[in-house]
Amino acid sequence: QITLKESGPTLVKPTQTLTLTCTFSGFSLTTSGVGVGWIRQPPGKALEWLALIYWDDDKRYSPSLKRRLTITKDTSDDQVVLTMTNMDPVDTATYFCAHRIPPELGGREFDPWGQGILVTVSS
Amino acid sequence: SYELTQPPSVSVSPGQPASITCSGDNLGNKYVCWYQQKAGQSPVLVIYKDRKRPSGMPARFSGSKSGNTATLTISGTQALDEADYYCQAWDNSAVVFGGGTRLTVL
Repeated sequence: QITLKESGPTLVKPTQTLTLTCTFSGFSLTTSGVGVGWIRQPPGKALEWLALIYWDDDKRYSPSLKRRLTITKDTSDDQVVLTMTNMDPVDTATYFCAHRIPPELGGREFDPWGQGILVTVSS
Repeated sequence: SYELTQPPSVSVSPGQPASITCSGDNLGNKYVCWYQQKAGQSPVLVIYKDRKRPSGMPARFSGSKSGNTATLTISGTQALDEADYYCQAWDNSAVVFGGGTRLTVL
């Protein structure tokens, strides 16, 4: 059974850097085709993809947020870390991490997702 | 940037079919998947590769695609199907989500 859980601060101040950790189990990020993505959702709004890291350390970022995002993995601890710089109140959202299904098993969709963590940006 | 367009809301009576569309340029050449998100919960995959159902997903959920429009259909809609639904596709190695459709079961 695959599970993921997000952790990190729930309150950050404007201009600070946000660091979120996704701790997962039930799969390995060393397995070919596997990926872990980050997606966020402002209150009452739509999902927005942020970043994705693959088993081979290839990384992809949302073009609109690329300058502010860094995604890394720690395969020994089964964790993926997302950092977002220069936080602003508009970045207030629930941040999800999710397992990306390998292409040979699906269509590269995300399944399952973590429970999400609500991050509020406020002074 | 690439966009996927969904209707903001769809209403349906219990037991009736509900259809939610998702349109985008060249969508006919991309795989589409669909997620269901109930209030306060994380998204759940309901359709992948345009029309495939994950194991355990009820058969009343189905997907199709014609040209550049993908459609999620729920046959015999139940009250528990009330949720937000999002389509998703890939464009140039980037993930794109639709704006979401709120399905209301009246």
